[in-house]
Amino acid sequence: RKEVEQDPGPFNVPEGATVAFNCTYSNSASQSFFWYRQDCRKEPKLLMSVYSSGNEDGRFTAQLNRASQYISLLIRDSKLSDSATYLCVVYPPQAGGYNKLIFGAGTRLAVHP
Amino acid sequence: GAGVSQSPSNKVTEKGKDVELRCDPISGHTALYWYRQSLGQGLEFLIYFQGNSAPDKSGLPSDRFSAERTGGSVSTLTIQRTQQEDSAVYLCASSLARGARAGELFFGEGSRLTVL
Repeated sequence: RKEVEQDPGPFNVPEGATVAFNCTYSNSASQSFFWYRQDCRKEPKLLMSVYSSGNEDGRFTAQLNRASQYISLLIRDSKLSDSATYLCVVYPPQAGGYNKLIFGAGTRLAVHP
Repeated sequence: GAGVSQSPSNKVTEKGKDVELRCDPISGHTALYWYRQSLGQGLEFLIYFQGNSAPDKSGLPSDRFSAERTGGSVSTLTIQRTQQEDSAVYLCASSLARGARAGELFFGEGSRLTVL
């Protein structure tokens, strides 16, 4: 089992739709979770951090389900500009106390008129 | 500068040549990461620095790849005897090393390497 798994998509949705992506992780001791957004041929950028059960920022909601070891990202009222690849990132505890983030392969979203 | 700066932004080289990629992280960020991304693929972890030391070099694909960081700031990634399969975008990211925000990475725009 991969440490972080995402449905690669693509998710093709019309403007105004609500879309949700899931991300599963294998290390149950993981404490911090993040969603990054990567536009085509651009660098990833942090979208949301998830430290407790969830986080909401405008049209974006991230939820954490520790029992089932997944985090989700919900996008309401999709815009054309939301078209991108969404990367799930997990920060599991590491021996020696140093950081090693685990990136998922990403879920591609395409919003059409 | 305000963000992570990488140079060169584009590099075309011939097979067998050595290349050096540079990353200047955000001031005060002690953690620095190198990743690479081939076209249409996910991020591939290469190496992580905490200050000047590299506790995790597990992602370096071969001994042709090396990286160093000096003064807890600028890092260089060196690829010796480049091969065509080294062609990719090399991304550098930095973050605060401690606490809950350790996972909040700031990426540079990347160095696009093409090996002919």
